[in-house]
Amino acid sequence: ELVLTQSPATLSVSPGQRITLSCRTSQSINTRLAWYQQKPGQAPRLLIYGASIRAAGIPARFTGSGSGTDFTLSISSLQSDDFAVYYCQQYDRGTFGGGTKVEIK
Amino acid sequence: QVRLEQSGSAVQKPGSSVRVSCKMSGGSLITSAFSWVRQAPGQGLEWIGRIIPSANMRDYAQKYQGRLTFSADKAANIVYMELRGLTSEDTALYFCAREGAGYPDWGRGTLITVSS
Repeated sequence: ELVLTQSPATLSVSPGQRITLSCRTSQSINTRLAWYQQKPGQAPRLLIYGASIRAAGIPARFTGSGSGTDFTLSISSLQSDDFAVYYCQQYDRGTFGGGTKVEIK
Repeated sequence: QVRLEQSGSAVQKPGSSVRVSCKMSGGSLITSAFSWVRQAPGQGLEWIGRIIPSANMRDYAQKYQGRLTFSADKAANIVYMELRGLTSEDTALYFCAREGAGYPDWGRGTLITVSS
């Protein structure tokens, strides 16, 4: 069974900071990984697919990287609109990570 | 632009069944694959399965085998999810999502509350 582990669970940050979120998979998945942003009461929004390809309309401050079992999502210069929960997903099998909540410090 | 419109929220009795619909506009069911994702209150996202209407293929997460059925009406461009034997643990927001590279399109979710 494929397991995705995200860390940290919660990140308290100030606007303008740069942050890096981690996602580790229990098996190698090449680059078949996506990242989503979810705000309260909303559906998830696709940010990154193929581990590093920004989805349509996603600002350049969002950067994905990694392959195999270790992946990261970086957000440079965090804006107020970026405070949300972020999930990684191996989209062939559908499995999601547990999420990282990015909150205002 | 693809839009996924889901049926409205419902309150169901324990032991009953529920069917949720997801109507696609701006695209065709026969060229798409769909996943269903659920989110219990205050919890993370959980993939529960997928349907590929053109291939008549369904893939269910193991924990839902035997209780979950996906179907499709290709003419109406609608996919359906039916969950049987509901318990309070099935109380959740159920999303349909169109698969691409990742899931680029999502419905707004259907809240299913299981309560006596």
